[in-house]
Amino acid sequence: DTGVSQNPRHKITKRGQNVTFRCDPISEHNRLYWYRQTLGQGPEFLTYFQNEAQLEKSRLLSDRFSAERPKGSFSTLEIQRTEQGDSAMYLCASSLSLQGGEQYFGPGTRLTVT
Amino acid sequence: GESVGLHLPTLSVQEGDNSIINCAYSNSASDYFIWYKQESGKGPQFIIDIRSNMDKRQGQRVTVLLNKTVKHLSLQIAATQPGDSAVYFCAENNDYKLSFGAGTTVTVRA
Repeated sequence: DTGVSQNPRHKITKRGQNVTFRCDPISEHNRLYWYRQTLGQGPEFLTYFQNEAQLEKSRLLSDRFSAERPKGSFSTLEIQRTEQGDSAMYLCASSLSLQGGEQYFGPGTRLTVT
Repeated sequence: GESVGLHLPTLSVQEGDNSIINCAYSNSASDYFIWYKQESGKGPQFIIDIRSNMDKRQGQRVTVLLNKTVKHLSLQIAATQPGDSAVYFCAENNDYKLSFGAGTTVTVRA
């Protein structure tokens, strides 16, 4: 499968714990995006990378959230001191940096904070 | 607030009939829109896109219509099949960032 992959697919954690998610984009894609999706809503943009550079962060991304893409390939999203409000589906997408380059989404990581 | 939104949260359609899903947007400067399909447990999947220099675009069994005057777009699915059951989102593409509406859940009746 050469699509976007995300791990883990599901994560249950207790409030206050730290969690880290991984995204492996399509290999030739230089842009990588993180979105968050809560039940019944569309995905909301969190941040994006072009190669290893993080070019924008949404105001939704509090100080407890950090994303990295150290070598311009895979990316990690870490949430520190998780809160129940962090429970959501975290989606990763990748694309080529062509104007209007189609974003391909991974299956997401569903986070449940108890 | 949302820059794109959908008219109806749910749509039930008989198998074989045509489906129409509507979406409104608020920013008259928006120039690129995409429809996505999301099945349960999966990420959104690209269906079709349209730029503001067009008012209609067709794909396989799908057509997107864009009315810039009233800031409205629609997705038409011909001969709806059980595999079309999913949540459909319209999204505005601002170069690198997608802004999604809330979604319409389409249920296909046998």
